[in-house]
Amino acid sequence: GAGVSQSPSNKVTEKGKDVELRCDPISGHTALYWYRQSLGQGLEFLIYFQGNSAPDKSGLPSDRFSAERTGGSVSTLTIQRTQQEDSAVYLCASSLIGDVTYEQYFGPGTRLTVT
Amino acid sequence: AQRVTQPEKLLSVFKGAPVELKCNYSYSGSPELFWYVQYSRQRLQLLLRHISRESIKGFTADLNKGETSFHLKKPFAQEEDSAMYYCALSGLGGSRLTFGEGTQLTVNP
Repeated sequence: GAGVSQSPSNKVTEKGKDVELRCDPISGHTALYWYRQSLGQGLEFLIYFQGNSAPDKSGLPSDRFSAERTGGSVSTLTIQRTQQEDSAVYLCASSLIGDVTYEQYFGPGTRLTVT
Repeated sequence: AQRVTQPEKLLSVFKGAPVELKCNYSYSGSPELFWYVQYSRQRLQLLLRHISRESIKGFTADLNKGETSFHLKKPFAQEEDSAMYYCALSGLGGSRLTFGEGTQLTVNP
């Protein structure tokens, strides 16, 4: 079946602009995660959605970052007033909580470059 | 606070040699430990998890709670094992992953 998909695959934006990154999780997966992969920082957790519970936003680096998940499926990560330090690969993952494996399935990522 | 440490950023071995990728963690409680792998131009994928106690592609990892380690081992490395390897942990029941900084493994012919 289809895996996690993300769009766009690449995004170049000017400093100060807003960007939206999209994630389509595996159908039926109840949990959705956003991570950021950048040089020198490794893989950082950003935000976690689980069903109808309030999201865990503890990893968001500033209030310029926000995310929503509509209808328990598609998620959008929004970065306002982008800065050069926001340049990174943004990864989305989904999992089926309740599955004993708790395996997170990752998308291909969106490479964001802020110029 | 939870933390994962992978002391080696780069590791290079020859084909057929044993390989060990080190991982140490700190966590207050009983964590779930994982190894994820990212092959060139592919997405991040799960290699193995400690609760399964399985061997995948010849790799094994044993959780040592006394030493708070979860080292990844393979007795005979293959060229196709060349990839970036990440050790990760989460709380029980599935939740956010905390990753180490990764080890780039190169297996030379």
